[in-house]
Amino acid sequence: KAGVTQTPRYLIKTRGQQVTLSCSPISGHRSVSWYQQTPGQGLQFLFEYFSETQRNKGNFPGRFSGRQFSNSRSEMNVSTLELGDSALYLCASSWGTGGRGETQYFGPGTRLLVL
Amino acid sequence: AQRVTQPEKLLSVFKGAPVELKCNYSYSGSPELFWYVQYSRQRLQLLLRHISRESIKGFTADLNKGETSFHLKKPFAQEEDSAMYYCAIGGGSNYKLTFGKGTLLTVNP
Repeated sequence: KAGVTQTPRYLIKTRGQQVTLSCSPISGHRSVSWYQQTPGQGLQFLFEYFSETQRNKGNFPGRFSGRQFSNSRSEMNVSTLELGDSALYLCASSWGTGGRGETQYFGPGTRLLVL
Repeated sequence: AQRVTQPEKLLSVFKGAPVELKCNYSYSGSPELFWYVQYSRQRLQLLLRHISRESIKGFTADLNKGETSFHLKKPFAQEEDSAMYYCAIGGGSNYKLTFGKGTLLTVNP
């Protein structure tokens, strides 16, 4: 079974621009979560989608948004980029049923550099 | 609010020595705890879940609700265990994982 894939793998943008990152979950998984990983803050939860609905959201400004399509693929968008948005953005997928011990499977990440 | 604390940023041991990576948590309710590992240039992957009570690659972790801890242990460390280890809490109906800051384990030959 193919793992979680993310595109692009690397991205360089300048301040003020916007960016869209894409995530394809494992086949059959309906939940997609997004995390931001930085050296200072570690891994921080951004949001989670299930059946095209956002079920949970972390403490990030409104510049960070996401969506999920009917095939469970997800995109996240960051508008008006700031230098501090430079990070590795990880996507994770799971069945999404909330069962005990449900595991999230992570993609390789998209490394975003904002200049 | 749920919180995970990994007190050691760095941990260095010699091959064959026991290793313990500490994890403490705060959570209201019945916690679900995980250990994830990230080897060099690889993606983050699940190592073990408390609910499974399993041993993976010789690692075990016991949930101690009284001490709110979920320490990861291995009796004899191997060089290939060198990696970044993250303790995480959540999942279930919470639909999100809260991670600790991670511990970088180095196993020296």
